[in-house]
Amino acid sequence: SQQGEEDPQALSIQEGENATMNCSYKTSINNLQWYRQNSGRGLVHLILIRSNEREKHSGRLRVTLDTSKKSSSLLITASRAADTASYFCATDAGAGGTSYGKLTFGQGTILTVHP
Amino acid sequence: DSGVTQTPKHLITATGQRVTLRCSPRSGDLSVYWYQQSLDQGLQFLIQYYNGEERAKGNILERFSAQQFPDLHSELNLSSLELGDSALYFCASSVIGAVSGNTIYFGEGSWLTVV
Repeated sequence: SQQGEEDPQALSIQEGENATMNCSYKTSINNLQWYRQNSGRGLVHLILIRSNEREKHSGRLRVTLDTSKKSSSLLITASRAADTASYFCATDAGAGGTSYGKLTFGQGTILTVHP
Repeated sequence: DSGVTQTPKHLITATGQRVTLRCSPRSGDLSVYWYQQSLDQGLQFLIQYYNGEERAKGNILERFSAQQFPDLHSELNLSSLELGDSALYFCASSVIGAVSGNTIYFGEGSWLTVV
C-alpha cells in the first residue's frame, strides 16, 4: 500500500513560476525523502528531511515537514523547463528509531513546466 | 549519475522464462535494495540486503529471489515470468542499512517486458 499520497497528481505551470507539491502519510516516520524521475528514467534523490526537522533548503528546493499533520511539501522556486518530471515523496518508517531503508513511495506528482 | 549500476537496461522475454537482473552498488555502500515500479502498483519495495545478508523483505513474490555477493553486487532473479511482471526494476544502495536519515541512491533501472 502507498503510505504517501501526493497532491496534486499533475501540475502545469509556466517557467519562472513556483511549484508546490504536497505529500501526506499515515504512520510515524524517521525521515522523508523527495525524488525526481524523468520519464522512464532513474530516481534522482533531491532532499532528505528528518522527523525532527521542520524545514530544509537545497538550491531552489524547499522542503517542509509537519509531523503533527503527517505532511510534507516540496517547493521548487523559479521553475525551469528542465524541472519537468515526476516527483515522489518517500517515507522511511523503521522501527525503534532505526531504518532499514524500506521506503514507501507516494504515487507522485507530474510536473510540467512550459517554456 | 548516482553511482549505482544496473544491467541490463532493457529486457524482453517470454512468459514462463527466467531472468536475472544485476546491480552494482555505489562504491562503499553495504546495503542494496530492490524496488519495482509498475503502472498499477507504483513504486514498491521488494527486498534489502546488507553486507550479504537479507535484512528486510517487502512485497516480493515467491517466484522472485535475490542475493548479495561478497563483492557486494546483487542479483534479482525473476522466474516463471508472467505478463504482470512487466515493470521497471530499480536497484538502490546506501552506506548503512540501519540508520535513520540514510539517503538511498537509485540506479537507472532495468526495463523488463514480458510478452
